[in-house]
Amino acid sequence: NAGVTQTPKFQVLKTGQSMTLQCAQDMNHNSMYWYRQDPGMGLRLIYYSASEGTTDKGEVPNGYNVSRLNKREFSLRLESAAPSQTSVYFCASNGLAGAHNEQFFGPGTRLTVL
Amino acid sequence: DQQVKQNSPSLSVQEGRISILNCDYTNSMFDYFLWYKKYPAEGPTFLISISSIKDKNEDGRFTVFLNKSAKHLSLHIVPSQPGDSAVYFCAAGSYNTDKLIFGTGTRLQVFP
Repeated sequence: NAGVTQTPKFQVLKTGQSMTLQCAQDMNHNSMYWYRQDPGMGLRLIYYSASEGTTDKGEVPNGYNVSRLNKREFSLRLESAAPSQTSVYFCASNGLAGAHNEQFFGPGTRLTVL
Repeated sequence: DQQVKQNSPSLSVQEGRISILNCDYTNSMFDYFLWYKKYPAEGPTFLISISSIKDKNEDGRFTVFLNKSAKHLSLHIVPSQPGDSAVYFCAAGSYNTDKLIFGTGTRLQVFP
């Protein structure tokens, strides 16, 4: 099992460019999440998907869109990138067997917006 | 308003000693709490969790203590090892939502 995979690992964009961050999990999990990590801010939830076909906003959704393509894949799109979106982005999925919503994280995408 | 707070951004401990990482929360409705560990250039990994109806949970060298009246939890690592050097996040959740709320993290350095 690969767990949670994310592509790309690194990306540099210019202000105004668009891109999609890809995430896939092979653990048959229902819930998937997108977080951003910034220095001193911890992990902040951008969007999540409790099941295939549903998405909901998290704490910091502005400037982002998501698509739950199928049960395995959950993508995050930046339509017009801004320097404030420079961050490390993590995708996660929720393990069904855990009672405490133990989430499994991907390795992250480091995004720089110039 | 930050519901989960880790007020110490960093902690340095000698190998073999105890590491104590602290976390405070404001919402008394949380049902469970978790600790995650994160190495550089990797995603966070789950370490240990505790239900709000418990006051202690132990897993090997890791013990989490919960003080509900103080809205405070702590992670004890005994004995600390150099491989424990990482950033530790506490998180809180409720059974009526799929979301977790994370603290800002504490960087632990264990030196020889």
